[in-house]
Amino acid sequence: DIQMTQSPSSLSASVGDRVTITCRASQSISSYVNWYQQKPGKAPKVLIYAASSLQSGVPSRFSASGSGTDFTLTISSLQPEDFATYYCQQSYNTHALTFGGGTKVEIK
Amino acid sequence: EVQVVETGGGLIQPGGSLRLSCAASGFTVSDNYMSWVRQAPGKGLEWVSVIYSSGNTFYADSVRGRFTISRDSSKNTLYLQMNSLRAEDTAVYYCARDRLDSSGWYRNDYWGQGTLVTVSS
Repeated sequence: DIQMTQSPSSLSASVGDRVTITCRASQSISSYVNWYQQKPGKAPKVLIYAASSLQSGVPSRFSASGSGTDFTLTISSLQPEDFATYYCQQSYNTHALTFGGGTKVEIK
Repeated sequence: EVQVVETGGGLIQPGGSLRLSCAASGFTVSDNYMSWVRQAPGKGLEWVSVIYSSGNTFYADSVRGRFTISRDSSKNTLYLQMNSLRAEDTAVYYCARDRLDSSGWYRNDYWGQGTLVTVSS
């Protein structure tokens, strides 16, 4: 199976900060990466698909890039509602989807 | 409006069986790929199983041979039959619609609220 390694596992940031989360795949997966946001007690919500495409309805302060094995999710100006846990997911192998371990974004 | 609602979770003893249901509205289950994803308490997301619109099914190594994904077109419902349950299967189980668009890009675009399965004696 393709392993997805996220870093950091947690970070503290202030409202207005620029935040970057990285994800590394254990093999090249082209642009088959999605990013999800999950708030406590809620289901995940897709933010980004195909490595850099913004899902409909997601604010433009979220962006992402990458190809091959290295991917990043960026929040350009952190808002109070953005404090959550973020997961990357590879969709290169749809027979065995895998998620990264998650990055918890906390208030500094 | 697209919606999926999971039911069927609960407390079950190790070795027992449980069937989860995921009732869909606003779309046709059998026309879509559908997945089960679980999350153990305080842990990350783990993909469990997928059923393609073709009917092909796939499983994570951790559940293969014990869990079975299926669907009922007449009820527009997805199922997960879980047998030989273990303590490590304790998790919130989410049902998700998988969107495969015309460009080949794939993501889980609609999720239910989840149902908690607790395996304990």
